[in-house]
Amino acid sequence: DTEVTQTPKHLVMGMTNKKSLKCEQHMGHRAMYWYKQKAKKPPELMFVYSYEKLSINESVPSRFSPECPNSSLLNLHLHALQPEDSALYLCASSQVARLSGANVLTFGAGSRLTVL
Amino acid sequence: SQQGEEDPQALSIQEGENATMNCSYKTSINNLQWYRQNSGRGLVHLILIRSNEREKHSGRLRVTLDTSKKSSSLLITASRAADTASYFCALNTGGFKTIFGAGTRLFVKA
Repeated sequence: DTEVTQTPKHLVMGMTNKKSLKCEQHMGHRAMYWYKQKAKKPPELMFVYSYEKLSINESVPSRFSPECPNSSLLNLHLHALQPEDSALYLCASSQVARLSGANVLTFGAGSRLTVL
Repeated sequence: SQQGEEDPQALSIQEGENATMNCSYKTSINNLQWYRQNSGRGLVHLILIRSNEREKHSGRLRVTLDTSKKSSSLLITASRAADTASYFCALNTGGFKTIFGAGTRLFVKA
């Protein structure tokens, strides 16, 4: 199984809603990532988990709350979002290759979020 | 900014022609990777070149890296309509931080 599965594929939410994006992988990868991508822009790193512990937070606003319940799952909890948060949210995973830095990312298809 | 800068921003070629995309960066890197993204979908890893390597091949792909000039190029030979996509270079400076360049949108006309 070489897939990263993201749900839902599309999500529309109001600014007062609370919702979650989910990501699952069964490749035995111990690093998982959230990226945000606006239209015609490159993916921007948000969070990295390594061995289920938060390793990197790229100064993301607290209305985005990541969670890694186990080595296969990664969630992104959303609360009080703004319309400018509308984007494609991409989950990725990789093996942990800290010394060589050769962290090849396997991406999911993304969750397209629209905030009204 | 650690982000790579890519040129051209967009490239339109005929099927069978070669496509070359360039990536320049400002920081020291551990490795440089290239990814492809079909419209609105997830990214797919194409090839990785380490900082001590100068050239790598994978099928119709050829990647070069010049660390003295802080630049890399991706060559796709004998392009096909199915190669139409956005291509991103991605810089890894060590650890888990992989930062993507602005991307080149490639359109291959059948």
